[in-house]
Amino acid sequence: DIQMTQSPSSLSASVGDRVTISCRASQNINYYLNWYQQKPGKAPKLLIYVASTLSSGVPSRFSGSGSGTDFTLTISGLQPEDFASYYCQQGSTTEVTFGGGTKVEIK
Amino acid sequence: QVHLQESGPKLVKPSETLSLTCSVSGSFMSTYYWAWIRQPPGKGLEWIGAISSSGSTNYNPAFKSRVTLSVDTSRTQFSLTLTSLTAADTAMYYCARQRDYSSQFDSWGQGTLVTVSS
Repeated sequence: DIQMTQSPSSLSASVGDRVTISCRASQNINYYLNWYQQKPGKAPKLLIYVASTLSSGVPSRFSGSGSGTDFTLTISGLQPEDFASYYCQQGSTTEVTFGGGTKVEIK
Repeated sequence: QVHLQESGPKLVKPSETLSLTCSVSGSFMSTYYWAWIRQPPGKGLEWIGAISSSGSTNYNPAFKSRVTLSVDTSRTQFSLTLTSLTAADTAMYYCARQRDYSSQFDSWGQGTLVTVSS
């Protein structure tokens, strides 16, 4: 199976900051990488799919990049509602796997 | 717009079998897969498996000997059966729609917390 490694596992940031979260795959997944946001007590929400395509209704301050094994989620201008956990997920193989998550907390 | 809702027991005894159902309102097209994902308390997400509306299945090898997915297109429902439960199976269980391009999960149920305890 393909292992997905996210870093950092947590970070503290302030409103307005630019935040970057990394996700690395254990083998080449081309661009079959998706990002989710999860708030406490809620189901995850799809933010970005195929590495860089914004899901419907997601603000443009969210962006994704990367291909192959290294991917990045960037939040440009962190808003109060962005404090949450973020997960990457690869869809390159029929056996889907998630990263361990990154918790974005208020500094 | 699609809406998913999980249903099933909230408390199950060790060694017993868990059965959960996801009811789907809205589109139940054959181009989609329908998935189960779980999240132990305070931990990350784990994909259990997925089934198409025609009954084709993909399973996480970590569960393969214990899990069965089924689908009832007439009721627009799909189900999860997980056997030989242990405390490690205590988790929030989500059903979700899995798209076929990047296997992204674009619609989720609210989740149901299942506790395995005697």
